Amino acid sequence: AQSVTQLGSHVSVSEGALVLLRCNYSSSVPPYLFWYVQYPNQGLQLLLKYTSAATLVKGINGFEAEFKKSETSFHLTKPSAHMSDAAEYFCAVTSFTSGTYKYIFGTGTRLKVLA
Amino acid sequence: GAGVSQTPSNKVTEKGKYVELRCDPISGHTALYWYRQSLGQGPEFLIYFQGTGAADDSGLPNDRFFAVRPEGSVSTLKIQRTERGDSAVYLCASSLTSGGTDTQYFGPGTRLTVL
Repeated sequence: AQSVTQLGSHVSVSEGALVLLRCNYSSSVPPYLFWYVQYPNQGLQLLLKYTSAATLVKGINGFEAEFKKSETSFHLTKPSAHMSDAAEYFCAVTSFTSGTYKYIFGTGTRLKVLA
Repeated sequence: GAGVSQTPSNKVTEKGKYVELRCDPISGHTALYWYRQSLGQGPEFLIYFQGTGAADDSGLPNDRFFAVRPEGSVSTLKIQRTERGDSAVYLCASSLTSGGTDTQYFGPGTRLTVL
């Protein structure tokens, strides 16, 4: 069975500060991992994905994430927060199980950026 | 090009009524997914189609929920005898194929309220 845990339902950072959103996963087979962002009244948009190539993945808007198998983690970071980064962020995992890929999403982390 | 569209954007209905929610995927995308997102939660998988067939419907909560995709493009999620617990945002996503590394593109969702 797969699962995703996002630590911290709400995170606040100052503009220009480091953004760190945590995601831990559980999967019995090699996973693929994703980070999505959801702006108010908009659909989810892919930020980045890990597909078993490089463990450090760079995405859009300056975000990146590192796959750490030993820690079963896929934390999202950005060196310097912008006001426009305020949104909800979802981590998701999928793997080939029982003949199909099923995507499991975390409960989300709402990022607030303080001026 | 056009993204994933969903209609209606909002639907208010009374307990016991029947509703249909429509999803128009990105042209050429063979895989289509339905999710349900309750307040404060991440998207929860319901069903996915590869072409016209439902490849995995294990997420449908009960037999009141049904989905079709007769021509391999537009899909309709149908809910019979709606209950107040069905109130949520229903999300649709499409991807080029159903491979685990393919990016899912999400629509803006349909907010269903059952009174």
